[in-house]
Amino acid sequence: GNSVTQMEGPVTLSEEAFLTINCTYTATGYPSLFWYVQYPGEGLQLLLKATKADDKGSNKGFEATYRKETTSFHLEKGSVQVSDSAVYFCALRYNFNKFYFGSGTKLNVKP
Amino acid sequence: GAVVSQHPSRVICKSGTSVKIECRSLDFQATTMFWYRQFPKQSLMLMATSNEGSKATYEQGVEKDKFLINHASLTLSTLTVTSAHPEDSSFYICSALARSTDTQYFGPGTRLTVL
Repeated sequence: GNSVTQMEGPVTLSEEAFLTINCTYTATGYPSLFWYVQYPGEGLQLLLKATKADDKGSNKGFEATYRKETTSFHLEKGSVQVSDSAVYFCALRYNFNKFYFGSGTKLNVKP
Repeated sequence: GAVVSQHPSRVICKSGTSVKIECRSLDFQATTMFWYRQFPKQSLMLMATSNEGSKATYEQGVEKDKFLINHASLTLSTLTVTSAHPEDSSFYICSALARSTDTQYFGPGTRLTVL
């Protein structure tokens, strides 16, 4: 079956630190992979996506590479800001736009 | 960007009553909407896919008579939790698929508490 596993949070970093949030998946076929971000009191927003192996999604300084050999889609950012504090969800899309989500990782960035 | 709204944002009801949650795509048409349920510190679980003008498709283990979904127009889908019980208390999130961009846009969620 399909599933997504991401690291548990919360993750607490100082401003300008390097961020990695791990995400691995199991899937039948070749799903598309996504990272969504949820700011306090708001809905999930698409952060970046990759639709095939070796694709790199990037947006707002965040990036993630679709690694088929390790079934991973780790989220990285070189220098986080306080405004990046949010909950991050890794997800895979299969079968006509159905999504499997990870449990979410809360990121706290301190000034 | 595209906006999806949900109403109400929070609702508290008594056990045995029914609650309706609305999901609207405000600036685009959505032939397909999705309903998710999120438990604390857990992932979003897809409950059903709502298609405009046709019956919803429910995921395995989701009671369709319990969670009634209606997608009456291209901008509105509703989820009715019938005869709610405390175990139905949860965070319900909808999303709408914008075909022009092949992107799902999520609503802010509705917190349901059943006493």
